[in-house]
Amino acid sequence: AQSVAQPEDQVNVAEGNPLTVKCTYSVSGNPYLFWYVQYPNRGLQFLLKYITGDNLVKGSYGFEAEFNKSQTSFHLKKPSALVSDSALYFCAVREVNDMRFGAGTRLTVKP
Amino acid sequence: NAGVTQTPKFQVLKTGQSMTLQCAQDMNHEYMSWYRQDPGMGLRLIHYSVGAGITDQGEVPNGYNVSRSTTEDFPLRLLSAAPSQTSVYFCASSAVPSREKLFFGSGTQLSVL
Repeated sequence: AQSVAQPEDQVNVAEGNPLTVKCTYSVSGNPYLFWYVQYPNRGLQFLLKYITGDNLVKGSYGFEAEFNKSQTSFHLKKPSALVSDSALYFCAVREVNDMRFGAGTRLTVKP
Repeated sequence: NAGVTQTPKFQVLKTGQSMTLQCAQDMNHEYMSWYRQDPGMGLRLIHYSVGAGITDQGEVPNGYNVSRSTTEDFPLRLLSAAPSQTSVYFCASSAVPSREKLFFGSGTQLSVL
């Protein structure tokens, strides 16, 4: 079965610094990879997806993700973090009738 | 601009009680699903549906039933609530095919005492 892993439970960065939230995947065939964000007391919101094509995918709120086939990674990045980016981030891989989520990484951006 | 609507937002049950979590979407999506979110475990699929009259089990279906009589609605039934079902429940929908992103409701926080 397809799966993703998020090796960090928590990431702390200072406002204005670049941020990276890590994700690795294990799939057979071509992966359909996603990043979602969850703000407190809200459902998950779509940030970006990789289906095929360019390895650098741009998404909502200034986020981007880099697909690396040799390292089986799909890390989420942002050049300059904002306090409002503080949230829970989920990496996911789409199967035919399921979306397999990682355990989530809590991002805290401090002023 | 409603998207995916879930009710109720909060619910407290006693062990053995039954209840139904409601989910409705207005995007004409064929695919709908129910997830539960538990700390440190991400989201796990309970049941899903690829169209009216069609449902199937996900990763953690035990103790839950679903039905899909219309494209818009996908209720989740807890038959006899257990403390292990204390969780946050999310309904989601998407257009078919399987490459599409999911749209989520705002969740139902359920406590079973």
